[in-house]
Amino acid sequence: GAVVSQHPSRVICKSGTSVKIECRSLDFQATTMFWYRQFPKQSLMLMATSNEGSKATYEQGVEKDKFLINHASLTLSTLTVASAHPEDSSFYICSARERGMANEKLFFGSGTQLSVL
Amino acid sequence: GEDVEQSLFLSVREGDSSVINCTYTDSSSTYLYWYKQEPGAGLQLLTYIFSNMDMKQDQRLTVLLNKKDKHLSLRIADTQTGDSAIYFCAEILSGGNKLVFGAGTILRVKS
Repeated sequence: GAVVSQHPSRVICKSGTSVKIECRSLDFQATTMFWYRQFPKQSLMLMATSNEGSKATYEQGVEKDKFLINHASLTLSTLTVASAHPEDSSFYICSARERGMANEKLFFGSGTQLSVL
Repeated sequence: GEDVEQSLFLSVREGDSSVINCTYTDSSSTYLYWYKQEPGAGLQLLTYIFSNMDMKQDQRLTVLLNKKDKHLSLRIADTQTGDSAIYFCAEILSGGNKLVFGAGTILRVKS
């Protein structure tokens, strides 16, 4: 089946540093990727929708200057948490939709646990 | 508005059936999904149902959809300890680009 690889799985950083998270579709082309944030024991909140070759669409309340998304190719989207602070600590998950497919062909990465000290 | 609600916790004995319930609000949702999340891991798509279906069965999983009441359920037959996880239901909002998740149901299977 289709695989989405998310890297790193865990990152611990100091406050003020920037962290980049990668999301790759390994065996399919993904024109659309989604980035979610999940707080402990809570649901996933959509942060932004990333379309290959164009600017990401951010959900209301998500700072685009803080969460920088780049979807430069059909297999890679990156989320950069700029100048991370402790309140940015969370579990981030990406998902990718296979090119030309409907939403049932949506696959998730294994997530990145970000801890900002 | 966008709102998907689930019960927070379910505990069953190994071998019993589990039923996880979900209600959603968008009557125009085309697909409804069930995902499984194990500790520290991403989401695994378990099954989905198209909105013009009432039921879908896939091995031990049975999904029931009541469109009138906007109610979705997931039944796991012969529940095993490996089924212990958090289960999320999700709906696609009209427009087809946004997946809205419930808060998740923690399923604990006692041996």
